[in-house]
Amino acid sequence: SQKIEQNSEALNIQEGKTATLTCNYTNYSPAYLQWYRQDPGRGPVFLLLIRENEKEKRKERLKVTFDTTLKQSLFHITASQPADSATYLCPGGANNLFFGTGTRLTVIP
Amino acid sequence: DAGVIQSPRHEVTEMGQEVTLRCKPISGHDYLFWYRQTMMRGLELLIYFNNNVPIDDSGMPEDRFSAKMPNASFSTLKIQPSEPRDSAVYFCASSSIRGLAGTTTGELFFGEGSRLTVL
Repeated sequence: SQKIEQNSEALNIQEGKTATLTCNYTNYSPAYLQWYRQDPGRGPVFLLLIRENEKEKRKERLKVTFDTTLKQSLFHITASQPADSATYLCPGGANNLFFGTGTRLTVIP
Repeated sequence: DAGVIQSPRHEVTEMGQEVTLRCKPISGHDYLFWYRQTMMRGLELLIYFNNNVPIDDSGMPEDRFSAKMPNASFSTLKIQPSEPRDSAVYFCASSSIRGLAGTTTGELFFGEGSRLTVL
């Protein structure tokens, strides 16, 4: 079955470092991938979309890559700040509607 | 625009009672989604509508759950009878133009959620 997985439930990094989150997909070839951010007590908020013919997409300190050979998307936050602490989600499956548990990022001051 | 509006924000009820959660999507959006979020299972898709018609309800846990969308600006998710294991945060989301057509991102706009506690 079509599956998308984030490689860790939680990630702790030091402020100022680059955070890298991974999303791996199996048994299908998504035409695009999305990344969302969710803060405690709030709904997820869309951050970025990357299409299969794009290698990289940037938005301020965020960068997303899409490697169709590795079947993987990487999400980078450069110069991380405590305010970046949140859960990050990459939905998958048909129409990218299946979210899962995401990766909880904690940036330590 | 006010965004997706959900009510109530918090609901505490006793096992066996009926629960109704409400959602007002963003005006002009033609897709509406209901999700449930728990620590263990994450964010799960329950059902979604296109132009007020249910398209996929395969995520609805069981017959105790039902969802309706009587018009483009309102949807309800009902649980009857409620059970403690239904305790979760329920999110409504809306979107316009699924897929890759044109420059749309197909992003979902989520409400703030309804936190349900069934005692």
